[in-house]
Amino acid sequence: DAGVIQSPRHEVTEMGQEVTLRCKPISGHNSLFWYRQTMMRGLELLIYFNNNVPIDDSGMPEDRFSAKMPNASFSTLKIQPSEPRDSAVYFCASSLTGLDQPQHFGDGTRLSIL
Amino acid sequence: GDSVTQMEGPVTLSEEAFLTINCTYTATGYPSLFWYVQYPGEGLQLLLKATKADDKGSNKGFEATYRKETTSFHLEKGSVQVSDSAVYFCALSSGNTPLVFGKGTRLSVIA
Repeated sequence: DAGVIQSPRHEVTEMGQEVTLRCKPISGHNSLFWYRQTMMRGLELLIYFNNNVPIDDSGMPEDRFSAKMPNASFSTLKIQPSEPRDSAVYFCASSLTGLDQPQHFGDGTRLSIL
Repeated sequence: GDSVTQMEGPVTLSEEAFLTINCTYTATGYPSLFWYVQYPGEGLQLLLKATKADDKGSNKGFEATYRKETTSFHLEKGSVQVSDSAVYFCALSSGNTPLVFGKGTRLSVIA
């Protein structure tokens, strides 16, 4: 059974470039979450969707960040323009409906902005 | 708001030692409690969970008991292995908010 799939696994790009991170949730899961993990801040929830609709984006750090979920099997997190302080590991997770349901995480995208 | 406090790491143990990682929480109502584990280069994985007071979650030799009176959910394992080296996260959900994670505790087990 396929887990949450994220791509790319690693991304290195220069400051100012647009970055797009991709996520395919587990089939049948109705909730999708985007997190950012850094040594300084730990694990931060950026945004979450339920049934493809963004429910809470209060964790999105700035207008440079945007996320979409055009259908139940695909979501993107975009940073435009990127900055060095955006360097982090970005995780996508999915779960069945219900915020107390266990979340299943992808292996993350390690993003480095030079 | 809801919060989780877990012991600061890193924790370094010898193989076969007893492990305790403390976790306490603050929440309204009766949250569900979770322990997640993150191995190097991977995402978090659910290790165990408990949904009501006095429930004991267990998996892979790890255990944690939901203690409402002390608002705690301490993780224990009787005999750790090198393969248990990872970062452990305590988390809670009150049902109407997303998971709230602790800051993580890094465990290193040496042979």
